[in-house]
Amino acid sequence: AQSVAQPEDQVNVAEGNPLTVKCTYSVSGNPYLFWYVQYPNRGLQFLLKYITGDNLVKGSYGFEAEFNKSQTSFHLKKPSALVSDSALYFCAVSGGKLIFGQGTELSVKP
Amino acid sequence: EPEVTQTPSHQVTQMGQEVILRCVPISNHLYFYWYRQILGQKVEFLVSFYNNEISEKSEIFDDQFSVERPDGSNFTLKIRSTKLEDSAMYFCASSGGKTGGFPNYNEQFFGPGTRLTVL
Repeated sequence: AQSVAQPEDQVNVAEGNPLTVKCTYSVSGNPYLFWYVQYPNRGLQFLLKYITGDNLVKGSYGFEAEFNKSQTSFHLKKPSALVSDSALYFCAVSGGKLIFGQGTELSVKP
Repeated sequence: EPEVTQTPSHQVTQMGQEVILRCVPISNHLYFYWYRQILGQKVEFLVSFYNNEISEKSEIFDDQFSVERPDGSNFTLKIRSTKLEDSAMYFCASSGGKTGGFPNYNEQFFGPGTRLTVL
């Protein structure tokens, strides 16, 4: 069965510092991986996806993610965090339907 | 920019009542989904819909649930007899692309959700 895990419930970062939100996955076959962000009282917004190709995927709002097959990871990164990046981040794996991780609350302090 | 819309934003109902949650997907999309998020928990897949029929459903999606695309624009989720544990945020999503019947790996666009409260 496909699954994703986000080992951190919360990540705290100072504005201007790099951020990483971790995700590991378990799939049989090729993984199709996604990151979504959820702002308070809003729906889920697509950030980026990995289907095939380059292991480093660039997405919206300056975010990127690195696919690592040997470590079965798909960590979300941003070189310089903004206060406005504070939100709930979900990693997901797809085989048509999306299977989401538990979510990680990112808090960026000024 | 096209977006998925959902109505109502908040629905309060009594246990045992029927509710219908409504969604208008992005107009040229072909795949439609319902997910739910119980407060404090992760987002869970309920059902996917393609070519006017259910393509996949989770074990959560039992006989109390049904989906319909009545008029080519709306996509509805009906819960026939609500239970307390149905209280959650329900998200509709849609995605485009034609993949010849294979799973669609395009990004899914989500609506803002309907918060269902069952009393």
